[in-house]
Amino acid sequence: GGIITQTPKFLIGQEGQKLTLKCQQNFNHDTMYWYRQDSGKGLRLIYYSITENDLQKGDLSEGYDASREKKSSFSLTVTSAQKNEMAVFLCASSQPGQGPGQLYFGEGSKLTVL
Amino acid sequence: AQSVTQPDARVTVSEGASLQLRCKYSYSGTPYLFWYVQYPRQGLQLLLKYYSGDPVVQGVNGFEAEFSKSNSSFHLRKASVHWSDSAVYFCVLSVNNYAQGLTFGLGTRVSVFP
Repeated sequence: GGIITQTPKFLIGQEGQKLTLKCQQNFNHDTMYWYRQDSGKGLRLIYYSITENDLQKGDLSEGYDASREKKSSFSLTVTSAQKNEMAVFLCASSQPGQGPGQLYFGEGSKLTVL
Repeated sequence: AQSVTQPDARVTVSEGASLQLRCKYSYSGTPYLFWYVQYPRQGLQLLLKYYSGDPVVQGVNGFEAEFSKSNSSFHLRKASVHWSDSAVYFCVLSVNNYAQGLTFGLGTRVSVFP
């Protein structure tokens, strides 16, 4: 088996601050994802990457940057944190050929902006 | 565009009782359908999946789901719940073979009481 590790688990920032979340996976999966989970809004895709150095925008990419410098890691940056923002960011990975919808998720990083 | 509706935001059930969670989808073609579960302070985990064939699919921990094309539904069932089944359950739709095309429902929070 494998694991997805997200750091930090909790992130507190100030309005306007640039904040970075990191994700590591040891499944050796090609594809990695960042989702945002808001209460009452389900999961929304921010960015995904199908291989090292590839970046693809999801439905919610505005206000975020991503980086995939290694196959095993995928970072997400909130470019300017919004006041009173609160959300959980979930990293996931998958492998083409294992069938659609088979994602493996990390435990999440909870963002609070003061 | 496709969509997923989980009409029940919260469900409360007694331990040992049966459970059914409803899921309706909107898509004109043949979908791939999934149920994911999110236990407290954990990431999402795949519970079961439907690609084609037998409309009743079995998952982990005694869960099963039934696909109905005529009703555009994919309801989740368990015959006898345990307190450890308390979690948030997400119905998920994919219309292609790519994991980045997933549409998540808003989730149903299940609370099991002794």
